Amino acid sequence: QKEVEQNSGPLSVPEGAIASLNCTYSDRGSQSFFWYRQYSGKSPELIMFIYSNGDKEDGRFTAQLNKASQYVSLLIRDSQPSDSATYLCAVLGQAGGTSYGKLTFGQGTILTVHP
Amino acid sequence: ETGVTQSPTHLIKTRGQQVTLRCSSQSGHNTVSWYQQALGQGPQFIFQYYREEENGRGNFPPRFSGLQFPNYSSELNVNALELDDSALYLCASSGDSNQPQHFGDGTRLSIL
Repeated sequence: QKEVEQNSGPLSVPEGAIASLNCTYSDRGSQSFFWYRQYSGKSPELIMFIYSNGDKEDGRFTAQLNKASQYVSLLIRDSQPSDSATYLCAVLGQAGGTSYGKLTFGQGTILTVHP
Repeated sequence: ETGVTQSPTHLIKTRGQQVTLRCSSQSGHNTVSWYQQALGQGPQFIFQYYREEENGRGNFPPRFSGLQFPNYSSELNVNALELDDSALYLCASSGDSNQPQHFGDGTRLSIL
């Protein structure tokens, strides 16, 4: 089982629709979760982070976390063609007794928003 | 506020050579992490530096090494380059090891 898994894409939605991106993780002790957006040929850009169970909203983006189910999701409302990108789910982990923060990424979901 | 900057943007090397990649952290950030991203994959953690000390390492061989300087900038060194080292190398900085990490634009390394 992969440490962080994202729903296989690509995902295609019409402009104005809600895009739903999903992610599961294997380490039950994980506490911090991040969504990055990566345009083709560019580096990842942080768009959301969530630490507590429930929903967190920022503009058109909503992150949802369910630690009991080990599930994180990202909803994008009123999707725009400019949202077309790869979305990476990342989980912050620690190793043993050390305090360092290692991000473990899923393989990414390609989202295409068509006019 | 200055973001994370990396240099060079592109680099072409041949097998067996050595390479040094550089990263300047975002203002106020003392933690730098390096990641390797192969085409079509998510980034893979190489190591992290905090206050000039290696603070954790991923599953990469010893020919991947690094440094962090007193101004929190960092270098990634790769010796004995192999074809599989061709990838986008990403540097990310954060306020500490548990804070959100912000990425630079990356260095695209091609090995011929």
